[in-house]
Amino acid sequence: EAQVTQNPRYLITVTGKKLTVTCSQNMNHEYMSWYRQDPGLGLRQIYYSMNVEVTDKGDVPEGYKVSRKEKRNFPLILESPSPNQTSLYFCASSWDRGYGYTFGSGTRLTVV
Amino acid sequence: AQSVTQPDIHITVSEGASLELRCNYSYGATPYLFWYVQSPGQGLQLLLKYFSGDTLVQGIKGFEAEFKRSQSSFNLRKPSVHWSDAAEYFCAVADISGGYQKVTFGIGTKLQVIP
Repeated sequence: EAQVTQNPRYLITVTGKKLTVTCSQNMNHEYMSWYRQDPGLGLRQIYYSMNVEVTDKGDVPEGYKVSRKEKRNFPLILESPSPNQTSLYFCASSWDRGYGYTFGSGTRLTVV
Repeated sequence: AQSVTQPDIHITVSEGASLELRCNYSYGATPYLFWYVQSPGQGLQLLLKYFSGDTLVQGIKGFEAEFKRSQSSFNLRKPSVHWSDAAEYFCAVADISGGYQKVTFGIGTKLQVIP
């Protein structure tokens, strides 16, 4: 089944403890992206990637890192999480520009 | 910079009634436009998209949307709503210039369907 897989689905962590949210797609998509969803703010883009080793900042990149060492994987790294990063995170991928995203099921992160 | 406005945060319709969700965009060139649906606890699913050609586009689940350049709008419609359509709907615009894909979403419209 074609899908974007995120792990974990739920995560509670403490301020300052580094964490990684994994994202993997099995569709050989070139484009991948991370979004965070907050009530009243919709989805905001954190980072996106056009191909292996090619990434760029979205609208809210502060406090996040990404890497794209393989085409299928696009992990999101929070090196020192803070409570304002408590949010619902989505990874998404698309075959080409303008084709629309396939989204993962989301990761609900709580930072205490 | 591109932007998307969904003026209705919450809409309630009766089952069987028609539906129209509004979306206005701001973008300098011809836009790529999308509608997504998010059911509770789920990720977003692509309903339909527009770039060029016929300004009335058909999507999945019986939805359609009409692109009106003069009004900078891309409204989503369905002739008869089913209870299973209760969800949150997001309009989005994509900037694909410069070889990248930057997608901006609206804040969403939550649809409630009453019997």
